[in-house]
Amino acid sequence: QQQVKQSPQSLIVQKGGISIINCAYENTAFDYFPWYQQFPGKGPALLIAIRPDVSEKKEGRFTISFNKSAKQFSLHIMDSQPGDSATYFCAARNSGGSNYKLTFGKGTLLTVNP
Amino acid sequence: GAGVSQSPRYKVAKRGQDVALRCDPISGHVSLFWYQQALGQGPEFLTYFQNEAQLDKSGLPSDRFFAERPEGSVSTLKIQRTQQEDSAVYLCASSLYREDNEQFFGPGTRLTVL
Repeated sequence: QQQVKQSPQSLIVQKGGISIINCAYENTAFDYFPWYQQFPGKGPALLIAIRPDVSEKKEGRFTISFNKSAKQFSLHIMDSQPGDSATYFCAARNSGGSNYKLTFGKGTLLTVNP
Repeated sequence: GAGVSQSPRYKVAKRGQDVALRCDPISGHVSLFWYQQALGQGPEFLTYFQNEAQLDKSGLPSDRFFAERPEGSVSTLKIQRTQQEDSAVYLCASSLYREDNEQFFGPGTRLTVL
């Protein structure tokens, strides 16, 4: 059972364009939704995160949009740069659970062409 | 300060061998997680420690997998009688408090079972 579904699997964007990655979740107990960025040979690093009490959070060029009723959230990367080329994972967590584990999507490989 | 470190970074094992993977979390971090990341997939939860107590091992795929954190700092993930399906990157993550949102990931150990 895949609790967090992520799309697309891969994405190619021109420099300066907008990258959009979408995720949908099933477990309504999830209450924390982070996005992680992973470069080859490195571990995932937290990029930005949101709680369901807000519909949008922006940090620099990165924005999370959250739709609680649809159980969907998305990452928007404005003015995409070649240095943004990486794999992006959405994740979710139930803070009321016993182990605080993150449940990840399958990832999106983003390529930003110069 | 130093981040999460893992060793070895790469491990090649023959099928049936036992392996031990080490994780050094960020000093003072209470929570420690192990995740398994198959090629082209998102990380999947294996087990969770709060200090030295293993509070959840529901993600361990079989009884060949064993994890410990005897003094509440360094952790070791041991896999006995390795199988080809164990080939993956094993990621360790730590967070300061149990309730802390951000999990800091190490670079992972890439295990290849021949």
